[in-house]
Formats: sequence, C-alpha cells, structure tokens
Amino acid sequence: DIVMTQTPLSSPVTLGQPASISCRSSHSLVNSDGNTYLSWLQQRPGQPPRLLIYKISHRFSGVPDRFSGSGAGTDFTLEISRVEAEDVGVYYCFQATQFPHTFGPGTKVDI
Amino acid sequence: QVTLRESGPALVKPTETLTLTCTFSGFSLSTNGMCVTWIRQPPGKALEWLARIDWDDDKYYSTSMKTRLTISKDTSKNQVVLTMANMDPVDTATYYCARIDAAAGLKFDSWGQGTLVTVSS
Repeated sequence: DIVMTQTPLSSPVTLGQPASISCRSSHSLVNSDGNTYLSWLQQRPGQPPRLLIYKISHRFSGVPDRFSGSGAGTDFTLEISRVEAEDVGVYYCFQATQFPHTFGPGTKVDI
Repeated sequence: QVTLRESGPALVKPTETLTLTCTFSGFSLSTNGMCVTWIRQPPGKALEWLARIDWDDDKYYSTSMKTRLTISKDTSKNQVVLTMANMDPVDTATYYCARIDAAAGLKFDSWGQGTLVTVSS
C-alpha cells in the first residue's frame, strides 16, 4: 500500500498570513495513464470532508483561489495564500492513483 | 445537483455484520466514469478509505479490511451497499460515502453527511 505522510501535523496560523502543508507518498503517484491522482480535502469541524484540489493542482469548483496545489512524483504541497477564519480545520492529502486508495494523517490548521 | 445520504444502524453489537446503504441522486452509476466509495473516520481520528465500486461493477477494497467488506450496487435504486462482517468496537466511526467522477480526473467531488456507527455490547 502507498503510505501518505504529512507535515506538519498541526499548524497554528495567523489570519492574513500564508500557510503551507506538505504531503509525501511512499511511491510515485504517477499513474500508468500519465496523470497523478493526488487530491487535497478540507474537513471543517463537525463537517464531512470536501474536495479542494484534485490532480495535484486543479482547484475544484467553488474553491477560493487562495488555495493552490503543486508538486510531482512523491512530493506535494498545499498552500493557502492568506488564511481566513473559515479555513480552520483538518486538511488531508489523498491518493487515488493506486489501489488501495490512501489518506494522509491530516494536518490540523488553527488560528 | 448531486446528493448522497448514508443510512444504517447507529448501534451494532460485536461480531455482528454491519450493513450501510448509500442512496444518491443527481447521477447514475451506470454512466461511464461514475464510481461510489466508502470512507470512515473514527472519532477524533483520520479518514480511512474502505471500498469503491465502479460503473462497470469493478470493486476495490482496503487491504486490511478486504476479508470483511462487500460492496455492491443497485443501479435501479441508485444505491450502493457496504457490508462489514465481524464488527468490533474499534470499528466505531462515522461512515461516509462519496461520488468519484473518474472521467473528470478521479474527483471525489460529492460527499454524504456521514452516519455514526457505534459498536458496543
């Protein structure tokens, strides 16, 4: 199974300041079709997860442009350009390149 | 508009089999590229992927759980059913179903609200 790790696991942030979360996979996430199925999910307190980013850097519909994803192969990053209060929650990276799909442990972002 | 709703018992006893149903609307699981997946989250812990079923009836399971899981679909009812055998208190979790659009980049784009299942005697 592909193991996903995230750093940091907890990230105190300042409103209006940038934040960054790293995600690393134990194997390359490049699929045989050439795509990399690495997604980022946000889970606000008491809410189900929601998709932010898919295929490394594609922002999902309705996601603010302060969220961006980057990376390749085994190393990926989620960046928030200017943190807002509504961004508090846990962020998960997730790979769907290979079965079984796997999640990272989550990074808690709080003010 | 795509919606998904999980349903099932809130409480099960150890060794029992859990049956969860995901009822969805706004898409068809007979459409090429559509998939439904199950994910769970123990209280205060991380998300864990469990299983997935695709439009062509391909099925995939978590390595650690595959001997206990069965996923199936009823396209006419717009439902996906997950059964988990031999329940244990460590299986206490919120169980989510989600849609995957495999034709659009394997987007896990719609999620249910989740259903909390407690395993206790």
